[in-house]
Amino acid sequence: QKEVEQNSGPLSVPEGAIASLNCTYSDRGSQSFFWYRQYSGKSPELIMSIYSNGDKEDGRFTAQLNKASQYVSLLIRDSQPSDSATYLCAVSLSNTGNQFYFGTGTSLTVIP
Amino acid sequence: DVKVTQSSRYLVKRTGEKVFLECVQDMDHENMFWYRQDPGLGLRLIYFSYDVKMKEKGDIPEGYSVSREKKERFSLILESASTNQTSMYLCATSTNLQPQHFGDGTRLSIL
Repeated sequence: QKEVEQNSGPLSVPEGAIASLNCTYSDRGSQSFFWYRQYSGKSPELIMSIYSNGDKEDGRFTAQLNKASQYVSLLIRDSQPSDSATYLCAVSLSNTGNQFYFGTGTSLTVIP
Repeated sequence: DVKVTQSSRYLVKRTGEKVFLECVQDMDHENMFWYRQDPGLGLRLIYFSYDVKMKEKGDIPEGYSVSREKKERFSLILESASTNQTSMYLCATSTNLQPQHFGDGTRLSIL
């Protein structure tokens, strides 16, 4: 079983809509949760981190964590064509650098 | 601004060759990572270093080694390149234990 699961998509939303990206993880001991954005042909960039249950907002982005359901999501409000990218969910199992796992990513297209 | 520089954007090598991929950072970060990224498999950690001369194996260290003689430089070595090591290789750095800043990547082809 993979540590981190994401629906590969593609997910298409119209400009201005809310894009909802979802991620589940298998290890209940997971401690920290992250979202990266990767544009086509580019490297990943860290956009959000969340450590406790609930919501964390940063501009148009909201990360949501539900540890009981082992579920992390990223909401993008007022989606823009520039948000079109692959979004990678990542999970840290412990306080060591070699227990950090990425999902395979969800491709998002925002249609003008 | 943060800068992580990988020595080559594209590289083509032959099977059996010893291949060196270099990564240099200018941020004085303690932690450096080497990942490979393959379609359908995502990013997988090869090695992680938390200090000069210190390293930890990741999920797929077989066939690879690393060197960190100076804080700013982290090298990935393919001891004897094989075709299944054809991939995109990404270096990253951080001040904590999650990769924060990635280089542009090296697309390596082994023929």
